[in-house]
Amino acid sequence: EAQVTQNPRYLITVTGKKLTVTCSQNMNHEYMSWYRQDPGLGLRQIYYSMNVEVTDKGDVPEGYKVSRKEKRNFPLILESPSPNQTSLYFCASSWSPGLAVDTQYFGPGTRLTVL
Amino acid sequence: AQKVTQAQTEISVVEKEDVTLDCVYETRDTTYYLFWYKQPPSGELVFLIRRNSFDEQNEISGRYSWNFQKSTSSFNFTITASQVVDSAVYFCALRPQGAQKLVFGQGTRLTINP
Repeated sequence: EAQVTQNPRYLITVTGKKLTVTCSQNMNHEYMSWYRQDPGLGLRQIYYSMNVEVTDKGDVPEGYKVSRKEKRNFPLILESPSPNQTSLYFCASSWSPGLAVDTQYFGPGTRLTVL
Repeated sequence: AQKVTQAQTEISVVEKEDVTLDCVYETRDTTYYLFWYKQPPSGELVFLIRRNSFDEQNEISGRYSWNFQKSTSSFNFTITASQVVDSAVYFCALRPQGAQKLVFGQGTRLTINP
């Protein structure tokens, strides 16, 4: 089954404790992206990757890191989480945003609470 | 700048009523793509439709229909004969051609009451 998976689905942590949210896709997609969802703001892009070893900042990258060492995986790293990073996080993947028929498919979401 | 506005924060209707979710977008690009996603209470985002800017034909899929009007920069979504299972948050999104992200609206929470 074609899918985007994220782990963990739920996480409660404390300020300053490094954490990683994993994202994996099995569709051989080149493009992957992270978004955060906050009430009243919709979803906003954090980082994206056009291919292996190619990453770039989205609209709200502060406090986050990413890496793309393999095509299928795109982990989101919070080196020193703070309460304002409490949010619902989504990973997405697609073939290529440059294609007219491109559609992004989303993972199930990770609900993060930073105390 | 790209922007998507979903002015209706919450809508509540009784089952079997028709309901329209509004979406207004802003872009200076001549080629762009519009999307609707559904987020049920379980939290995942489900792709519903993609529409290209050069194709203004309305689309119908079962009880769902979409009305795209470039003249008013709108891409509205109508659910006919709503059902309780339609209860969800619905997001409208825009992607200009070549852009590396989706620009989302704020979302509309739709509640269908039995």
